[in-house]
Amino acid sequence: NAGVMQNPRHLVRRRGQEARLRCSPMKGHSHVYWYRQLPEEGLKFMVYLQKENIIDESGMPKERFSAEFPKEGPSILRIQQVVRGDSAAYFCASSPWIEAEQFFGPGTRLTVL
Amino acid sequence: AQTVTQSQPEMSVQEAETVTLSCTYDTSESNYYLFWYKQPPSRQMILVIRQEAYKQQNATENRFSVNFQKAAKSFSLKISDSQLGDTAMYFCAFLVPPGNTPLVFGKGTRLSVIA
Repeated sequence: NAGVMQNPRHLVRRRGQEARLRCSPMKGHSHVYWYRQLPEEGLKFMVYLQKENIIDESGMPKERFSAEFPKEGPSILRIQQVVRGDSAAYFCASSPWIEAEQFFGPGTRLTVL
Repeated sequence: AQTVTQSQPEMSVQEAETVTLSCTYDTSESNYYLFWYKQPPSRQMILVIRQEAYKQQNATENRFSVNFQKAAKSFSLKISDSQLGDTAMYFCAFLVPPGNTPLVFGKGTRLSVIA
């Protein structure tokens, strides 16, 4: 059973470009969480999704950021018009139900030039 | 709102020795879960140990054990017989079930195991 997959592992974008980060949860997991880790900081919650539904996006910036988890395919975190402050590691985690342990992917390190 | 505090930004320990990492949290909830995650230089988040608040017995996983003091809202991690591979960032995290609440993380403690 493969773990949580994230791609790309590293992404470089210039200011103003779009960044698309992908997360494939573990098989059988229908809950996906996105977290952001700034340098020398802990992980901060961004958004929680179930299949085709955003359940909680209270941690996500109101502008430029969006997330989806379609019926088929991976969850996508999209950042439009990136700025240098978006440079961070973005982690995806999945769980089979709400109370269970969250399993983390390896993260995507986004660098904005 | 729940908060998690790790007051030790950095710690070091000699190989084979024992080290304790501190974590305190603040919540008004009575039922919750506490976790310690390890993040080695590869940056992968690895679950080390988990504690349910309703359980009085402290969780243990091989060389890792916790001291859970619910009244004091304290959740420390003890690593026995430290190994070089234990060198990593360690994050304490908190979750309130049920519902749509995510993990709340502390800022982490950087542990260095010295040969």
